[in-house]
Amino acid sequence: GQNIDQPTEMTATEGAIVQINCTYQTSGFNGLFWYQQHAGEAPTFLSYNVLDGLEEKGRFSSFLSRSKGYSYLLLKELQMKDSASYLCAVLDSNYQLIWGAGTKLIIKP
Amino acid sequence: GAVVSQHPSRVICKSGTSVKIECRSLDFQATTMFWYRQFPKKSLMLMATSNEGSKATYEQGVEKDKFLINHASLTLSTLTVTSAHPEDSSFYICSARGAGEVNEQFFGPGTRLTVL
Repeated sequence: GQNIDQPTEMTATEGAIVQINCTYQTSGFNGLFWYQQHAGEAPTFLSYNVLDGLEEKGRFSSFLSRSKGYSYLLLKELQMKDSASYLCAVLDSNYQLIWGAGTKLIIKP
Repeated sequence: GAVVSQHPSRVICKSGTSVKIECRSLDFQATTMFWYRQFPKKSLMLMATSNEGSKATYEQGVEKDKFLINHASLTLSTLTVTSAHPEDSSFYICSARGAGEVNEQFFGPGTRLTVL
């Protein structure tokens, strides 16, 4: 079966750095997405990785290792507004998005 | 980026009534639209995939007669929850993908349905 694993909840301090991990086992791989979702709102796109390595975009970076079935999202200089759920999703061989359950990130002052 | 709208954003209805939710791609042609359902503190659950001009493909366990999907044009898809019951209360989100864009989906803002 297809499976995406990520921690249920993480807590970090404002101004700090946090890394959210995601491991996956899917039928085929056409890329991995990270989305941010605030409570009561739809997901918003953060990053897309299809090749191994690190993609940096401002305070957010995303890393992919296809051989390990592993990705992480790195958030730097955390702000209170970064409190949200972060969803990892993999595009499988049928170009369908397989979703993780999301990681709820709590930022403390 | 591409914009997808959903209407209504919130709806409260009585049990037994039907509710229609619209999903529109505002600045691109959406050849494929996806309908998701999300329960509190849970991830997105794909309900169905619809391609313009053809019947929707429903995921296992989703009743096609209860959740009617119409994708009549390249900019509009509708989801109708028929004979709604309290257990249908949920957050419904659509996303859209353009022709040739196999990788990225653009999400609508979601519709909160509450069935009394």
